[in-house]
Amino acid sequence: NAGVTQTPKFQVLKTGQSMTLQCAQDMNHNSMYWYRQDPGMGLRLIYYSASEGTTDKGEVPNGYNVSRLNKREFSLRLESAAPSQTSVYFCASSLERGSNQPQHFGDGTRLSIL
Amino acid sequence: AQSVTQLDSQVPVFEEAPVELRCNYSSSVSVYLFWYVQYPNQGLQLLLKYLSGSTLVKGINGFEAEFNKSQTSFHLRKPSVHISDTAEYFCAVSLTGGGNKLTFGTGTQLKVEL
Repeated sequence: NAGVTQTPKFQVLKTGQSMTLQCAQDMNHNSMYWYRQDPGMGLRLIYYSASEGTTDKGEVPNGYNVSRLNKREFSLRLESAAPSQTSVYFCASSLERGSNQPQHFGDGTRLSIL
Repeated sequence: AQSVTQLDSQVPVFEEAPVELRCNYSSSVSVYLFWYVQYPNQGLQLLLKYLSGSTLVKGINGFEAEFNKSQTSFHLRKPSVHISDTAEYFCAVSLTGGGNKLTFGTGTQLKVEL
């Protein structure tokens, strides 16, 4: 039962470098999400994809781009990393877009930007 | 816009004692409510959810929560905690009919001591 798989688990970047975080789910879910988690701030939505072929901005989209490659995969790209993007990034998925649907989370990618 | 407040950032408790983690929300429309648990170095797991019906909701691992519409609260309780319950707990809300965008509280760290 893989669920939601994120790669890599850890990464250290230098300011200005680019990076793509990968996420794949094997639950045949339609909706996928990217969050960042910072101490004392809970989780904040960066981008989401309600269904294959669509993406929308969340609460904190600046500095990020996303690609919904197919139904299974949703990647998050940092084009020019900044120290403020040091965080733990979580990918999640849900069966449908409805607001009563629970989300299933991956184990996170811990990203440090020097 | 909706918001979630978890007043206690940390709650220490002795093993086998009862615990209550508080959650209050603010919204001008009806909401769905969720509690998630995060164990160290893992993603979030769904503990329980309130969608409609009975205001007392039972979840996994012996946890329960009560929805109180008049007080806009959704407090999480467990009558007797175990060391393995040590984790961070997040309350989250989504708007009914508003897509599946969750708004999270800042989290409560539950530390169970012997």
